[in-house]
Amino acid sequence: KAGVTQTPRYLIKTRGQQVTLSCSPISGHRSVSWYQQTPGQGLQFLFEYFSETQRNKGNFPGRFSGRQFSNSRSEMNVSTLELGDSALYLCASSQGDYNEQFFGPGTRLTVL
Amino acid sequence: AQSVTQLGSHVSVSEGALVLLRCNYSSSVPPYLFWYVQYPNQGLQLLLKYTSAATLVKGINGFEAEFKKSETSFHLTKPSAHMSDAAEYFCAVSDPAQGAQKLVFGQGTRLTINP
Repeated sequence: KAGVTQTPRYLIKTRGQQVTLSCSPISGHRSVSWYQQTPGQGLQFLFEYFSETQRNKGNFPGRFSGRQFSNSRSEMNVSTLELGDSALYLCASSQGDYNEQFFGPGTRLTVL
Repeated sequence: AQSVTQLGSHVSVSEGALVLLRCNYSSSVPPYLFWYVQYPNQGLQLLLKYTSAATLVKGINGFEAEFKKSETSFHLTKPSAHMSDAAEYFCAVSDPAQGAQKLVFGQGTRLTINP
């Protein structure tokens, strides 16, 4: 069974631009969560989607948004990029509550 | 709100020695606890999880952790370190009341293995 895939793996943007990151979960998984990893703040929860509905959201500004499609694939969007948005963005999928979350390799975003 | 504290951002042990990575949690309800490992340029891999079934949890690659409610701890151990264990380790907690899929992570411990 294929693992969680994230595209692109690396991305360079400039301040003020917007970016869309994609996550394809493991087949059959309906829950997709997103995390931001930075050296200073560590791993922080962004949001979780289940069956196309956002169930939970972390403490991030409204510039961070996401969505999930009927095939469980998910995208997250960051608008008006800031230097501090430079991070590794990790996606995780699971079958549902209390099931193991499987993480993708991440998308490394650099904002110049 | 739940939180996790990992004592020691860097731990260095010799190959064959005991590995002990410390994790303390703060939660108002019985939590779910996890240990993840991250190798360079990779995502996170689950080592083990505690979900109240047993206080001593065995995971992959010879790791285990013991849940101690009185100490609010969930330390990770491995009897004999191997060079391939060098990585960053994260302790995480989830509070079912705040969303079972929302993981709150500690700051991580980088484990170095000396030959």
